[in-house]
Formats: sequence, structure tokens, C-alpha cells
Amino acid sequence: QKEVEQNSGPLSVPEGAIASLNCTYSDRGSQSFFWYRQYSGKSPELIMSIYSNGDKEDGRFTAQLNKASQYVSLLIRDSQPSDSATYLCAVSGYSTLTFGKGTMLLVSP
Amino acid sequence: DAGVTQSPTHLIKTRGQQVTLRCSPKSGHDTVSWYQQALGQGPQFIFQYYEEEERQRGNFPDRFSGHQFPNYSSELNVNALLLGDSALYLCASSFGTGELFFGEGSRLTVL
Repeated sequence: QKEVEQNSGPLSVPEGAIASLNCTYSDRGSQSFFWYRQYSGKSPELIMSIYSNGDKEDGRFTAQLNKASQYVSLLIRDSQPSDSATYLCAVSGYSTLTFGKGTMLLVSP
Repeated sequence: DAGVTQSPTHLIKTRGQQVTLRCSPKSGHDTVSWYQQALGQGPQFIFQYYEEEERQRGNFPDRFSGHQFPNYSSELNVNALLLGDSALYLCASSFGTGELFFGEGSRLTVL
């Protein structure tokens, strides 16, 4: 059974700081990795995807993938109060996604 | 361009009843997946439909069934509702095995 593990948090950071979110997965054959942001009562919104080892940057967001360690992370630079949400890590297996439980991020002004 | 639309947005049922949730995929998408998200949990895969057939299924009982229509829209049916079926039901569409786009969900409360 595929598993995706995340620290449930909450992770609290001050405005302007770097928030670091982590995720591990069990299926070594996984090829595609995603980070979704979910505001309370809303549906998940894709913010980053990564498919190969290394870093991928998009604005204030950087996703990092280490397949040997089965580890994915998301860095949010210059965190804003509007970034306060639950961040879901998801791993793809033939067009279906296995999600972690999510990490709640709280950015204080 | 309309995204993924789901209906109803909220509904309340009692134990033992049946419910039907509906989903219209994003324009150009041919694949619909359904997920259940309980409070405080990540979404869990229920099943996926492609070309009007169930292509993959997660670990959900037969009380959960679905259908895809020729226009790619889809329904999720749940029979003999249990209290534990209370959750946010998310529909996601994609073109084949591409990126998933989620609808806003249908929040089901079972009393």
C-alpha cells in the first residue's frame, strides 16, 4: 500500500520567513510528485509539480525531490499571511494520486 | 472556460439513505476521478472513469458506485449511508493521465 507521510503541524512562521514543508513516500517506483494548497473549506489547488531529482523553482516556491531518500519538500520564501493553509503532498501512480494528510502552515503578521 | 463543476455543494442525509453527487469536467478533459476527504485527512482515491468505464478503484466498498456519461460528466452514488461517509467529496478531471484539476467539492453530512 502506497503511503505518503507529512507532519500535521501546525507549522508557525512569521511573515517574511522561509517555511519548509516535508514529505516522505513509500513507493520507490513513484515518478510524479505534487504539492497542493488547500484553504479551509476549499478544494486543493496545485501549486508545484516535480518529476526529477533536484530543485524546481516557481516564484516564491521551490520544490525539492530526492528519490534515493524518497523525500519531497516545499520551501516558501517571504511567507505571507495569505500562505496560511494546509499543504498536501501527493504522489502519482498511473494518473491517480496518493495524498498525505497535509501540513497546516500558519504565517503570522 | 469553466473549470470542474460539482453539485450539490452541501447536502445532509440520514443513515441508510442514498446520495448522488454530480461532476462536470473541465472542457477538453475526458477522465474523471473521485476522492473522499474526511475532516483533517488528505483526499483518498475512490475511483476513476475513462471512456464511460471504471478504470481504477481505490479501497472503498461496493456501496460506492459511479458512472460516466458520453459527455464525460460523472456521478458518484453512495448507498446505505453510514455516519463515517460524512466528508468532502472531490471530483477531479484530467485529459488522460495529465494534471488533475479539482472541483470545489460536495460536502456530505450524514446524521
